[in-house]
Amino acid sequence: GDSVTQTEGPVTVSESESLIINCTYSATSIAYPNLFWYVRYPGEGLQLLLKVITAGQKGSSRGFEATYNKETTSFHLQKASVQESDSAVYYCALGDQNNNAPRFGAGTKLSVKP
Amino acid sequence: DAGVTQTPRHEVAEKGQTIILKCEPVSGHNDLFWYRQTKIQGLELLSYFRSKSLMEDGGAFKDRFKAEMLNSSFSTLKIQPTEPKDSAVYLCASSGLGGQDTQYFGPGTRLLVL
Repeated sequence: GDSVTQTEGPVTVSESESLIINCTYSATSIAYPNLFWYVRYPGEGLQLLLKVITAGQKGSSRGFEATYNKETTSFHLQKASVQESDSAVYYCALGDQNNNAPRFGAGTKLSVKP
Repeated sequence: DAGVTQTPRHEVAEKGQTIILKCEPVSGHNDLFWYRQTKIQGLELLSYFRSKSLMEDGGAFKDRFKAEMLNSSFSTLKIQPTEPKDSAVYLCASSGLGGQDTQYFGPGTRLLVL
């Protein structure tokens, strides 16, 4: 089936360090997957961070980047220098153009130490 | 524009009770989703509606969970009877066009079953 696997949390990094949260997907029934990163900041609702719908393209937002790699079926989230305000739970999600609901990874809780 | 609204924000129930959670999607959105959010499982799909028609039902939740969409602007999730393992945050989301579109999430209902 279609599924998403991401870095198991919690992840703790120090401010100004680099970050990578891994996300790999299995899209056995989806011809053209769409890939998303959602984020839930403390006290806030889940919201879109970035999305990419075309293989080979990169999405970016708030200093985060993710490249849709069809060969490795990956969509890793990266940031060169994290800030304390990036502390949140990050979810990778897989969507399609058919009548299927998006599939989410288990979420990765990130804590950034000052 | 109003986002997704969910009521109540918190619910405490005794084991065996029936509870009903409510959701109003973003105006004009065709798709509505119910998810259960836990730290261990992440986001689990409960139900997915498109234009009020049920498109997908989370297989593991069919026996005690029933979502309905009475009109395009209102949905309910009934849990009957509740069990302590149902304690979680229940999220409602809507989108314009299913798996390829950005989902907009409500603030969630935190359910505690004693």
